[in-house]
Amino acid sequence: GQNIDQPTEMTATEGAIVQINCTYQTSGFNGLFWYQQHAGEAPTFLSYNVLDGLEEKGRFSSFLSRSKGYSYLLLKELQMKDSASYLCAVRRGYGQNFVFGPGTRLSVLP
Amino acid sequence: GAGVSQSPSNKVTEKGKDVELRCDPISGHTALYWYRQRLGQGLEFLIYFQGNSAPDKSGLPSDRFSAERTGESVSTLTIQRTQQEDSAVYLCASSLDFGGQGYIQYFGAGTRLSVL
Repeated sequence: GQNIDQPTEMTATEGAIVQINCTYQTSGFNGLFWYQQHAGEAPTFLSYNVLDGLEEKGRFSSFLSRSKGYSYLLLKELQMKDSASYLCAVRRGYGQNFVFGPGTRLSVLP
Repeated sequence: GAGVSQSPSNKVTEKGKDVELRCDPISGHTALYWYRQRLGQGLEFLIYFQGNSAPDKSGLPSDRFSAERTGESVSTLTIQRTQQEDSAVYLCASSLDFGGQGYIQYFGAGTRLSVL
């Protein structure tokens, strides 16, 4: 089977750091993607991990542990505009089989 | 075009009617996906096209749903005899479909379908 879990909602304060976790149980893991989706808008790509470790891109970082089936997205120096849903997606095998998690709705408060 | 374009942006229809949704992928992107997103939910995979290969239809929820794509261009998703549970946002995405980050999907703004 395949399963991806994320917390449903998170709240954080402007300027703080927040970590959004994603756990997955899939066969044929071949990469993990994070997308940001503002309400009523299309998802946009944030980060990609295929090997273990941390990928840093400005205020956003993503971590992967394949042995634990675990990833997290780290957002630093939170801004109000970071209020959005964050989707974790796993690519399975060598084709185009992607499974998306339910998303985590982040609210950034002043 | 510069991005993935979907039309219409909103569609209101009566139960039992057929609807057709359109997606224009980014030029040069060989892979095209359709997803369904119900209110407050994650993305549900529907169908995937890659070049001239047979599409992966494993996510289509019933035989009322079908999709076509001509080569590497426009795709249409058709829902026949719509039901109220079909109400959702239908998202289309395209990608280059090779090497690591070539699998990044670029999404259109979606079509919000409301079945009354």
